[in-house]
Amino acid sequence: EAGVAQSPRYKIIEKRQSVAFWCNPISGHATLYWYQQILGQGPKLLIQFQNNGVVDDSQLPKDRFSAERLKGVDSTLKIQPAKLEDSAVYLCASSPAGGPWTENTEAFFGQGTRLTVV
Amino acid sequence: TQLLEQSPQFLSIQEGENLTVYCNSSSVFSSLQWYRQEPGEGPVLLVTVVTGGEVKKLKRLTFQFGDARKDSSLHITAAQPGDTGLYLCAGLTGFQKLVFGTGTRLLVSP
Repeated sequence: EAGVAQSPRYKIIEKRQSVAFWCNPISGHATLYWYQQILGQGPKLLIQFQNNGVVDDSQLPKDRFSAERLKGVDSTLKIQPAKLEDSAVYLCASSPAGGPWTENTEAFFGQGTRLTVV
Repeated sequence: TQLLEQSPQFLSIQEGENLTVYCNSSSVFSSLQWYRQEPGEGPVLLVTVVTGGEVKKLKRLTFQFGDARKDSSLHITAAQPGDTGLYLCAGLTGFQKLVFGTGTRLLVSP
């Protein structure tokens, strides 16, 4: 079974430029997450999709960040304009279940995109 | 915002030592997971605990969920260099919402 695919792996941009990240979740997974992880810290949830609907985007800085999940499959996360403090690893994850978590529910993560804003 | 605080933030030990990592919150979680993350990779699930007071063992790792389902601990016996990594607890709430802790970086030296 193929894992969660993310691209690009690395991106360096100047502040005030825009950038987009792409995620292809595991086939059939209903839930998709985008996390921001500052070096050495725990991931911070930016947005959660259930199929193509947004479940939680309470911590997404909506003045500069946007995300979409068209047709409930692939997703893109965009930053426009970027700031220095956006330098981080952006992780995408997916999980299969469409209902409550059970002991066997698991989120599968991609390798992430490392963004450096200079 | 539900916060999960982990302690310690960083732990550097010698091979063969024991250690415990703590995960604390003021919020109640329906279940709690522990992940390990290596450099350049995404987190990988170690265990899920769902019942207050539950204890699970995974080889040299022992996980406990607090009775009130607000806290958890991870104990590693006889740590090995291969245990080096970032350990993350994650609380599960609501409709599949997965909230991560602050992280504990473990370095085990030979």
